[in-house]
Parts: sequence; structure tokens; C-alpha cells
Amino acid sequence: DQQVKQNSPSLSVQEGRISILNCDYTNSMFDYFLWYKKYPAEGPTFLISISSIKDKNEDGRFTVFLNKSAKHLSLHIVPSQPGDSAVYFCAARSGSNYKLTFGKGTLLTVNP
Amino acid sequence: DSGVTQTPKHLITATGQRVTLRCSPRSGDLSVYWYQQSLDQGLQFLIQYYNGEERAKGNILERFSAQQFPDLHSELNLSSLELGDSALYFCASSVTGTVNTEAFFGQGTRLTVV
Repeated sequence: DQQVKQNSPSLSVQEGRISILNCDYTNSMFDYFLWYKKYPAEGPTFLISISSIKDKNEDGRFTVFLNKSAKHLSLHIVPSQPGDSAVYFCAARSGSNYKLTFGKGTLLTVNP
Repeated sequence: DSGVTQTPKHLITATGQRVTLRCSPRSGDLSVYWYQQSLDQGLQFLIQYYNGEERAKGNILERFSAQQFPDLHSELNLSSLELGDSALYFCASSVTGTVNTEAFFGQGTRLTVV
């Protein structure tokens, strides 16, 4: 049973445009959500996070939106740059349990 | 550089063998996590240690075991290896006990079982 789902295996956007990556979850106990970026042959790198008490968190070009009623979160990248091309993983955890449950990832390709 | 060090980077071994993967967490981090990433799969949580004690267990096979030492480095032992154990194994560390801290990942060990 996949508790964190990223239904789009891949996404392609033009440089300068907005990239929107989506993530759905089923476990209502999740209260903290994270996005990681992964380049080939490297480990995942933390990008941005959001607590369930918020509905938006922004860091530079990256914004994460959380819709708790829909159990959905999204990562917006504006403007997209070719260096953003990577696999993006959505992850979630609950309470004081720091174990992360990951989605399968979305490969973002930003075309020059 | 995340500050988490994993060795070796690559490992090729035969079925039935046993290997040990090593992880040094970031300075000050008490928690170590192990994850497995197989082909077409997301990262699957295996096990967590906090300050030397097992804290949480995920989808870890009985053939696999881990420990965290007094200096906080951790080792993941994989035995009776099968072809299906070929995967990327990631270690991550975090400062458990601090609210809303993220885990930092090492570069991973690519294990190939032949």
C-alpha cells in the first residue's frame, strides 16, 4: 500500500515557465511533508518542507502548497531552470517518528 | 556535500555472500536511517537508529541487520545476498528531537549482486 503517491513519472517544461509537481497521500497521520531533489549518482537533497499547520511555504523559486482536506501537496518552481532537471521525491512523516515515507519520484526535465 | 559519508560507493559481489555498508552521519546528528532504492521503486525505509538504539523498523529483510556504534557511525549488514538485493542503499542522518528537521542523505552505495 503506497501511502505517498506521485502519479506523474515525468514532467517536461520550458525554461522560464512554471513547473508543478504533485503528490498525494493517504495517511491522515502525516503532519510534515518534504520535497527532495535527486541528481543521478547522488543522494537526495532536501529542498523544502511544510508542516501540516500551514498551507504554503516559500523559499526563493520554490513554493510548496498543502491541501489537507484533499491530502494533496504540490511543489511549484518559478521560473524553471535547466539546472532544476532532476528527480523530485515527495516524502511525509508523522509525529515524532522521523521515518520518511517517500513517493516514487517525478523526473523533471527543463528544456532550454 | 550533505556531510553524510557512505562507503563504499560501489560494491559488486556474488550471490550468497555477505557485505557491510558503512555510514558516518553529520556531526551532531544522533539518528541514522537506512533506505533502499531498487529499480523503479522509490526509497524504501529499512531501519532507524537513534543514539545507538534501534528506533524504528521498516521493510527490512531478516537477512539484513544494522547497528549504530558509540561514535554514531552505522553499518548495514546484508547476508545471503540474492540478485534482487541489487539496489542503491542510502544512509541519512538527522538531529532527532528537534521539531521539524529534515534528514540529510549520503551519496549512496550501489550494490550489484551477480
